[in-house]
Amino acid sequence: AQKITQTQPGMFVQEKEAVTLDCTYDTSDPSYGLFWYKQPSSGEMIFLIYQGSYDQQNATEGRYSLNFQKARKSANLVISASQLGDSAMYFCAMREDPTIYNQGGKLIFGQGTELSVKP
Amino acid sequence: GAGVSQSPRYKVTKRGQDVALRCDPISGHVSLYWYRQALGQGPEFLTYFNYEAQQDKSGLPNDRFSAERPEGSISTLTIQRTEQRDSAMYRCASSYTSGLYNEQFFGPGTRLTVL
Repeated sequence: AQKITQTQPGMFVQEKEAVTLDCTYDTSDPSYGLFWYKQPSSGEMIFLIYQGSYDQQNATEGRYSLNFQKARKSANLVISASQLGDSAMYFCAMREDPTIYNQGGKLIFGQGTELSVKP
Repeated sequence: GAGVSQSPRYKVTKRGQDVALRCDPISGHVSLYWYRQALGQGPEFLTYFNYEAQQDKSGLPNDRFSAERPEGSISTLTIQRTEQRDSAMYRCASSYTSGLYNEQFFGPGTRLTVL
């Protein structure tokens, strides 16, 4: 069964420093995708970054990068140069390839990590 | 208004009442998903549609929960005979298709409180 584990319930980081949010996953399927979402206190879900299981390079989107270690089944999010506006809950999620498994690509989410950026 | 919209944003109801939650996906999006998010936890999958066809309802907790998308656009999630344990944020998401990479765009959610 698919499973996503985020072991850090809460984290603090100083403004302008980098921070890594951990995510490990469990799947026996060869084709899958990994996603990170940000949920600020307003409650919206904001897509940040995506990594496919067959992607050769780590995904990057501006200040966000994904440290993908396939053998260790980890997909950690790295936020560089933290800003006060980065304070939020961050969710890691996974979906299996729906074209292979015909499961519609539902997202399986972790429990989340609450990040607080200190000025 | 290009995003996913949900209504109502807040719903307070008494135990035993039925509620209907509405989701209006992004125009042209084929796939529509319903999730439930308890406080302090990640969203949990409920059900999924491609066009008007309900492809997967494996996440619906019991038969009090049902969903429809009759014309392949707007969807309604209905909870019958609500119970206090149904209190949560109910989120809808849509994507262009159900392909692996297709980003799911989430709506603002409906906060349901069952008294």
